[in-house]
Amino acid sequence: DADVTQTPRNRITKTGKRIMLECSQTKGHDRMYWYRQDPGLGLRLIYYSFDVKDINKGEISDGYSVSRQAQAKFSLSLESAIPNQTALYFCATSVHGNTGELFFGEGSRLTVL
Amino acid sequence: GNSVTQMEGPVTLSEEAFLTINCTYTATGYPSLFWYVQYPGEGLQLLLKATKADDKGSNKGFEATYRKETTSFHLEKGSVQVSDSAVYFCALQNAGGTSYGKLTFGQGTILTVHP
Repeated sequence: DADVTQTPRNRITKTGKRIMLECSQTKGHDRMYWYRQDPGLGLRLIYYSFDVKDINKGEISDGYSVSRQAQAKFSLSLESAIPNQTALYFCATSVHGNTGELFFGEGSRLTVL
Repeated sequence: GNSVTQMEGPVTLSEEAFLTINCTYTATGYPSLFWYVQYPGEGLQLLLKATKADDKGSNKGFEATYRKETTSFHLEKGSVQVSDSAVYFCALQNAGGTSYGKLTFGQGTILTVHP
């Protein structure tokens, strides 16, 4: 089983719908992240959490919210999805400290029609 | 702010060819630099890293040297294999505790290696 698991892996939805992407990890890491990948733009940070009580906005947080339900779970919500939120979303984890190594899930592909 | 620029892709090579993927960056201070690789259908995984000027990161035959004078971190491999076909991302992380895990990524370079 993957150490960082994302659900759903693929989702097609309509404009205005609420969507939740879930992430769970078995690595025991304190830090969790949500990144978005768009062709030609690389990955951009949406939100990050250094522990259960610490949640921070990243570079592109508008239109998104997150919840850190437990050390192992970090979910991303789109309250009212719009077409330009169509992207590949990645959850990642890291250990405490300056390794710079992120451990990524396999991604959740979201299409908003 | 930070930025990372990679060479335009896609890159197509024959097996055993020499690979270079260029990466330059803009950042304040002394960032750490990374190359991540994404195989088809998978998440990114760390390929190599360098944390200070003149450091060379290496892994699986890939190498990259942190060049502060040219703000570059080019990825090289002497002889590519079909299994190296993937998307390669250059990334940086600023120094300082609040920056840990907050990476700035380049746009990615698609590499295809033919037999």
